[in-house]
Amino acid sequence: AQTVTQSQPEMSVQEAETVTLSCTYDTSESDYYLFWYKQPPSRQMILVIRQEAYKQQNATENRFSVNFQKAAKSFSLKISDSQLGDAAMYFCAYPSGTYKYIFGTGTRLKVLA
Amino acid sequence: DAMVIQNPRYQVTQFGKPVTLSCSQTLNHNVMYWYQQKSSQAPKLLFHYYDKDFNNEADTPDNFQSRRPNTSFCFLDIRSPGLGDAAMYLCATSRDQVLVTQYFGPGTRLTVL
Repeated sequence: AQTVTQSQPEMSVQEAETVTLSCTYDTSESDYYLFWYKQPPSRQMILVIRQEAYKQQNATENRFSVNFQKAAKSFSLKISDSQLGDAAMYFCAYPSGTYKYIFGTGTRLKVLA
Repeated sequence: DAMVIQNPRYQVTQFGKPVTLSCSQTLNHNVMYWYQQKSSQAPKLLFHYYDKDFNNEADTPDNFQSRRPNTSFCFLDIRSPGLGDAAMYLCATSRDQVLVTQYFGPGTRLTVL
């Protein structure tokens, strides 16, 4: 069965510091995509970053980067130079079938001033 | 700006009183989704439309129905809300498959008294 696990319910980071959010998944597929979504308090969920499994290079979007370890089925999100606006729930997601995501349980990130 | 709009943002209903939540999109996307999200949990997919084709998740209660009269609009009908249906309801769209980004609305928070 395809599963997505986020083992950190909550994380804290000092402003301007770096934090890494963990995600592991299980799949028998060889080609797939992985996503990190951010859901700020009372605001809509937005895509942070996407990784294509066949690409060896880790995806990067400004201060956000991933550490994708395909063999280990690990997909962690690194946030550098953390800002107060990064405070949110972060969900790791794996597409199951054509139209459906499997979401992890989420990690609540607190940014301390 | 192209976007996903949900109305109302907050909805209060009484136990057993039917309620309809609305979603509209200006993205002209083929796929529209309805998710239920309870506090600090991952979004749970209820159903989705690919154009006019309706796809119900196996574990979505019969109490939940949906309509998509045209490309832009999609409605979620809860026929007899129970206390357990109190949640945030998220609408999302995607151009095609989940291999591309899903765009989420801000959600409607439903309270059942």
